[in-house]
This record gives sequence, structure tokens and C-alpha cells, in this order.
Amino acid sequence: GENVEQHPSTLSVQEGDSAVIKCTYSDSASNYFPWYKQELGKRPQLIIDIRSNVGEKKDQRIAVTLNKTAKHFSLHITETQPEDSAVYFCAATPNTGNQFYFGTGTSLTVIP
Amino acid sequence: DSGVTQTPKHLITATGQRVTLRCSPRSGDLSVYWYQQSLDQGLQFLIQYYNGEERAKGNILERFSAQQFPDLHSELNLSSLELGDSALYFCASSAFRQETQYFGPGTRLLVL
Repeated sequence: GENVEQHPSTLSVQEGDSAVIKCTYSDSASNYFPWYKQELGKRPQLIIDIRSNVGEKKDQRIAVTLNKTAKHFSLHITETQPEDSAVYFCAATPNTGNQFYFGTGTSLTVIP
Repeated sequence: DSGVTQTPKHLITATGQRVTLRCSPRSGDLSVYWYQQSLDQGLQFLIQYYNGEERAKGNILERFSAQQFPDLHSELNLSSLELGDSALYFCASSAFRQETQYFGPGTRLLVL
């Protein structure tokens, strides 16, 4: 099955700086890559996603890039704010409607 | 609010007992997924149901079982509970031929 690795496990940045979280996947058939943000004790919330036919997607301060050849994708958060502090999970799935394979999460702390 | 509901919100029980967690998917969503999140851990996929039928199975223990009913709500049954079963249990739902999964608020299970 698919295996998703996520780095780093923890990340601290100063407010206003950028944060980058990277994930690699193993199954070349994976074609959908969502990113979830989870605040302490709350549900994971989808923040951005990308499909394999697209190389980059942006939504305000958040962007995701995908390199299918290298089988890795990254989350970029610019102009970080304290409310960006949370755990971020990447995931991959090879088929529509099938299970997600999640990374192990990155705990992001934005220092005011 | 994702539109996915889960009950109960909290559950405290003793080792050896059996509990049932309930999930109602978003209106119209046919797929339901169950995930387990232990303290400081990632999201472990347990099982997926699609329109009443089991679709995929992950790292689900034999002591655990699930089903999806005709009205599409799902129940996760955990039996012979052990201390290590203490975790947050999330369900998620997705629409037909749509990859995006929307998570419920979770049920926090504490086994004493």
C-alpha cells in the first residue's frame, strides 16, 4: 500500500516568516493530495488540496506544490500568524473514494 | 462545521467493556471512514463503508467492528476495551466520486 512520510515533525517560525512542510509518497498511482490542519482537541480541517494533473495551487497565504516525478509535495505558508499554530497532516490517495494515507503530522508553532 | 456529526463527544469506560460510537455523514455523502488518533499520534485509518458495504479495511483490531445502516449513519463498535484503546475516534465522509473527506468533531474515549 501507499506510504506517506512527512517532515519535519516540529517546526517553529517567527511571526511573518514562511513555513514549509514536505511529504513524500510511494505509490505512483496516488492522484489526490490534501492537507489538513488540526488544532488541539479539534477535528482535522481541509485547508488545501491538489490533484496530480496540477503542479501548484494557491489560496491566499497557503500554497501546495507537487512533483510527481520525485513523488513529493509540499505545503507553503507565507506571512505566518499565531493562529497558524496547529498540527498539519498531509495525505495521499490513489483512487477516488478510497482511504487516505496520512503523514505523521507536523506541529507548527508561530512565535509572536 | 463540516456537517458530519458524531456522538457521544466524550466517553469514559472501564477495561473489558464495550462501547458504540455513532457517526452521521454529511447529507448525501455515501462514504464513511473511521480513524483512530492516539495521544500525539497521527490519524490511523480503521475502516471505510460505502453505501452500506465495507469498502476498505485498515489497521482495525478484531475487537473492533463497524457497520453502515440504510440511512447511511455508521457505528463503530469497540469491545473488550483495553487501556491502549483510549484515543480520539474520528469519522469522515465523502460524496460519490469525490476525494475530499470531511471530518466530524470526534469522540474522545477514555478507558480506565
